[in-house]
Amino acid sequence: DIVLTQSPDSLAVPLGERATINCKSSQSVLYSSDDKNYLAWYQQKPGQPPRLLIYWASTRESGVPDRFSGGESGTDFTLTISSLQAEDVAVYYCQQYYSAPYTFGQGTKLEIK
Amino acid sequence: QITLKESGPTLVKPTQTLTLTCTFSGLSLSSTRVGVAWIRQPPGKALEWLAHISWNNERYYSSSLKSRLTITKDPSKNHVVLTMTNMDPMDTATYYCGHQRYVNAWYPFANWGQGTLVTVSS
Repeated sequence: DIVLTQSPDSLAVPLGERATINCKSSQSVLYSSDDKNYLAWYQQKPGQPPRLLIYWASTRESGVPDRFSGGESGTDFTLTISSLQAEDVAVYYCQQYYSAPYTFGQGTKLEIK
Repeated sequence: QITLKESGPTLVKPTQTLTLTCTFSGLSLSSTRVGVAWIRQPPGKALEWLAHISWNNERYYSSSLKSRLTITKDPSKNHVVLTMTNMDPMDTATYYCGHQRYVNAWYPFANWGQGTLVTVSS
């Protein structure tokens, strides 16, 4: 199974500042035939199901603010919020959909400092 | 608009079998290239992917839970059913179903149900 390890486990950032969450995959999730990384990011607020933010490691889902961006370098992935807003307080998960079982990272809790 | 809704018992006893139903609208598992999966989340813990079934009846399961899980579909009723045998208090969680579309490759979960909390206790 592909193991996704997120860091840090929790993060506190001042409003308006940049927040960066990392996700490291135990193996490549790059599909050679389309040159895409099968890695997604979700945001989950208390009492709600997860919301898809990013797929193909860096493509924003429709309706997601452009302060959210995804980066990739080999088996290392990042989710960056360029200017943290109060409504961004949540737990963020990465997920690989390259090969079943489609595993999730352990989550990163993002708070306001 | 695609919607999904989970249903099933809120309380099961240890060793019992859990049966959950995901009822969806706005998509069809009989002809369009879609998949439905189950994901669970113990209270205060991370998401855990459980199982997936596709329009062409491909099925995948969590490695650690494979022996206890069965996923089936009934396209005529727009249902996907997950059964989990030999329930344990550690299986207490909110169970979600999610929708994936397939366009040359699988996309991640763009649509989720609201989840259903299942408690395992005697």
